[in-house]
Amino acid sequence: QVQLQESGPGLVKSSQTLSLTCAVSGVSISSGGYSWSWIRQPPGKGLEWIGHMYYSGSTYYKPSLRGRVTTSIDTSKNQFSLKLSSVTAADTAVYYCARGTTHYFDFWGQGTPVTVSS
Amino acid sequence: SYELTQPPSVSVSPGQTASITCSGDKLGDKYVCWYQQKPGQSPVLVIHQDSQRPSGIPARFSGSNSGNTATLTISGTQAMDEADYYCQAWDSGTVVFGGGTKLTVL
Repeated sequence: QVQLQESGPGLVKSSQTLSLTCAVSGVSISSGGYSWSWIRQPPGKGLEWIGHMYYSGSTYYKPSLRGRVTTSIDTSKNQFSLKLSSVTAADTAVYYCARGTTHYFDFWGQGTPVTVSS
Repeated sequence: SYELTQPPSVSVSPGQTASITCSGDKLGDKYVCWYQQKPGQSPVLVIHQDSQRPSGIPARFSGSNSGNTATLTISGTQAMDEADYYCQAWDSGTVVFGGGTKLTVL
């Protein structure tokens, strides 16, 4: 069974960089055929796609976040990561990692809450 | 940028049929999927590629997509179906979510 698990600091200071990691089990990221994605959900609000990457190295980011977002894959640890720079209170959210197919996300992590403090 | 519009809330009586819409420009030309999210839980895929149910999703969940509107239909709605529902599509290599619809079963 495919499982994803997010990890990282739950509190980040304003203007600093948010860093999260998603550990994947049950499938090898390097096997290809899937995208590895980050999605967030501000408190009481809806889902917001951040971006995703493929094992090939291709990356796609939400246009409004482009320039602040960086994603990477570590095949030796079978995990992928998110870095979001210059964070503000608006970046406070539950952050999810997910596996994507061509059209949908079939497996999600449990989510990790991140609060940006001033 | 592409937008998907959902009604904020839908109410349904137990045993009745609930319909949740998702609107977007020429949405019928894209594949739409739907997620169910209960409080404190991660989203769960209930419909993909407009009308396909993943393994383990009850047959009371169905979907359609035509023109500018996709619809998630829950037949014989049960109390356990009370949740937030989100539609999602792809546009020009990016992913778009609808704003979400809170389904109340009362």
